[in-house]
Amino acid sequence: DIEMTQSPSTLSASVGDRVTITCRASQTISSWLAWYQQKPGKAPKLLIYQASTLESGVPSRFSGSGSGTEFTLTISSLQPDDFATYYCQQYNSYATFGQGTKVDIK
Amino acid sequence: EVQLLESGGGLVQPGGSLRLSCAASGFTFSSYAMSWVRQAPGKGLEWVSIISGSSGDTYYAGSVKGRFTISRDNSKNTLYLQMNSLRAEDTALYYCAKVGEGDYDFYAFDIWGQGTMVTVSS
Repeated sequence: DIEMTQSPSTLSASVGDRVTITCRASQTISSWLAWYQQKPGKAPKLLIYQASTLESGVPSRFSGSGSGTEFTLTISSLQPDDFATYYCQQYNSYATFGQGTKVDIK
Repeated sequence: EVQLLESGGGLVQPGGSLRLSCAASGFTFSSYAMSWVRQAPGKGLEWVSIISGSSGDTYYAGSVKGRFTISRDNSKNTLYLQMNSLRAEDTALYYCAKVGEGDYDFYAFDIWGQGTMVTVSS
């Protein structure tokens, strides 16, 4: 099974900050990676797929990069609506989620 | 509008059974693989199972294999999850999710329902 490890688990940041979340796969997954945002009491929302393709309607301050085993999600300028938990997911072999990164207010 | 609506959750005793349903609308249901993903209270997301769009191929996480069965009725635009031999660790919010690309069984999940809660307790 492919394991996904996110870092950090929690990130404290301020509005306007540049935020980067890392996701590592236990084996190569090419670009078969997605990122989701989840707010309390809500379903996850797809942000990025194929490691770097922005889902329709997602603000351009979100971007994804990486391939193989190391990936990043970057928020270029954190907005109040962005405080949430973020998950990566591999779909190269079945599906596995990372443990999540909570972005909270500093 | 593309929509997924889960139902069937509830309280069940350990060892019991439950069947979840997910009614889909707003897209050609038979063209896409569909999945169940669960989230235990206060925990992260865990993929449970996927069924392909037309061939009916099924895949399961190791934690539920042999106990859960995923199925679909394309004539009713409905996805199901039959859960048997339930354990306390199966307690979670169960989401139905649509695979985002029609040519793949595994892909990013672009549409999610709001979830249905399953509680396994005596």
